[in-house]
This record gives sequence, C-alpha cells and structure tokens, in this order.
Amino acid sequence: AQSVTQLGSHVSVSEGALVLLRCNYSSSVPPYLFWYVQYPNQGLQLLLKYTSAATLVKGINGFEAEFKKSETSFHLTKPSAHMSDAAEYFCAVSVGYEKLTFGTGTRLTIIP
Amino acid sequence: DTEVTQTPKHLVMGMTNKKSLKCEQHMGHRAMYWYKQKAKKPPELMFVYSYEKLSINESVPSRFSPECPNSSLLNLHLHALQPEDSALYLCASSQEGGGRSHNIQYFGAGTRLSVL
Repeated sequence: AQSVTQLGSHVSVSEGALVLLRCNYSSSVPPYLFWYVQYPNQGLQLLLKYTSAATLVKGINGFEAEFKKSETSFHLTKPSAHMSDAAEYFCAVSVGYEKLTFGTGTRLTIIP
Repeated sequence: DTEVTQTPKHLVMGMTNKKSLKCEQHMGHRAMYWYKQKAKKPPELMFVYSYEKLSINESVPSRFSPECPNSSLLNLHLHALQPEDSALYLCASSQEGGGRSHNIQYFGAGTRLSVL
C-alpha cells in the first residue's frame, strides 16, 4: 500500500529564509504525488502535483518540489519565506484510483 | 472557476438530531468525496462517488449516510452522532472518476461540526 511520511510536524523559518518541508513516499508502482496547503479554518488548496512529466515541479506562490526516485522523496521548497506562507502543509500520494493518502502534516511558522 | 461550496460553515447538533451537510460544484467534475478532519490531523477519506455512484466507503459508521442526487451535488446525512464525530467535514471533487488517480481534487472550505 502507498504511504507518505512527513518529517517534522513543526517547522519554523525566518521571513526571507529558505523553506524546506520534507516528504518521503512508499509505493510499489510509480506514484502521483501532491502538496496541499491548509490555512486556518479553510479547506485544502493544491500547491503542486507530480505525475511523471517532469521531476522538478513548480507550483503556486513560488513553491516547487523535486521528485527523487532514488531517495523516494518529494520535498517542498521555497527560496524566500513570506509571512503569508504560515499554514499547515500536507503531502499526499495517489495510486491506482481516486483515493488520496495524506501525510500527517507540517505546520510552518514564519518568524518576523 | 475551481470552487467547491459547502454549507453550512458551522453546525451544532445534539446526539438525537438529524442534519445534513451539503456540497456543490459546477466544474463538471464526475467524482466527489467526503473527508473527515480532526484537529491537527490530516483529512481521512470517508466516501467517494464516481459518476454519481458510491465507489468507496471507508467503513464509515451507518450514522453517516451519503447521497449524490446529481453530478453537481453531494450530501452527507447525519443521524444519532456521537461527540467524537465532532470535526471539520471536507468535500472535494475531481474531474473524472473511474480510477484516474492523477486528477486534482479541489476542496471546499468545510463544515465545522460540533456534536453535543
């Protein structure tokens, strides 16, 4: 069965610093991978998705992620953090049908 | 327009009440989903409708009853809930059903349910 592991339930970075949120996946077949963001009291918004077209995926709000098969990783990065990036971030994997399996989430805090 | 609309935004109900949550999308999506999200946890899939037919039921208790009257509308009927059912209930939709796993799921803002 497919699964994702997010390392670090809380990450704090200074405004303007690099954001790195880690996600490792487990799947017996090539996966489809997603990053979603959830702001307080809101639903989930898709940041980006990997569907095998390109290993470096660019998303919204300046975020990008790189699929590394050898490391089974799909880490999310942003070169310069903004205060508005403070939110909960979920990595998710989908294999075979519509079911999404989410990681446990990483809460990102931005320090002014 | 990538909007999924959920009503109501907040709901408080007693354990003997019957209530319904509503979800609507006008994107022509053929798959719709219900998720349950507890505080500080990821969403957990409850039900999937594909082309208006129930395709996945994640062993959800019968006090939750989904309904898909048409391709744009998804309801979740609630009856005799327990306090532990208090959570954020999220609806989502995606372009196609039938096992197309790369389709993006678009989420509504959710209904925050409190069971007293």
